[in-house]
Amino acid sequence: SQTIHQWPATLVQPVGSPLSLECTVEGTSNPNLYWYRQAAGRGLQLLFYSVGIGQISSEVPQNLSASRPQDRQFILSSKKLLLSDSGFYLCACNLGLGTEAFFGQGTRLTVV
Amino acid sequence: RKEVEQDPGPFNVPEGATVAFNCTYSNSASQSFFWYRQDCRKEPKLLMSVYSSGNEDGRFTAQLNRASQYISLLIRDSKLSDSATYLCVVNRGGSYIPTFGRGTSLIVHP
Repeated sequence: SQTIHQWPATLVQPVGSPLSLECTVEGTSNPNLYWYRQAAGRGLQLLFYSVGIGQISSEVPQNLSASRPQDRQFILSSKKLLLSDSGFYLCACNLGLGTEAFFGQGTRLTVV
Repeated sequence: RKEVEQDPGPFNVPEGATVAFNCTYSNSASQSFFWYRQDCRKEPKLLMSVYSSGNEDGRFTAQLNRASQYISLLIRDSKLSDSATYLCVVNRGGSYIPTFGRGTSLIVHP
């Protein structure tokens, strides 16, 4: 079964600094990949999803971008972080219709 | 209307109680449904898929009502270890994209 590696586990960054979070998937090929953000006490908000290399769909306009340079690699980036970017960032994958999603362990980002 | 709606709770129940969570979804074309469990400061993990005929896994029973666009989760004989947030997940109508409800918090006390 697939395993998702996500790092770092925690991150404290100053406002205006850049961000790069990486997610890699093992144990499967051609997964659908997702980035979610969970604010404190809130639900999971879908940020980006990708069905293949170089294919990125954005769900909400914001200060973030995503890229998929390889089949099993998904990267979340920002050029300049805002305080409102703080949250729990989760990478997930599934394999298609009817299949459940698996999550990485998440990155807890605090922007100060 | 939100795509997936849940009562956020918290549900505060004693050990041994039976508790039920409900979830409604807005897109009638949705085909895949799941319940996830999320512990504090951890990633969500699959609890069970939800099938049209209903399904059971030990103390947990999930039901789907397509006509009412309604999903439920029943937990019998609650344990302290069941304390967590339970997330209703519906794959966006006709697609593979998981959409999450806000989650229902369960606290089981001695």
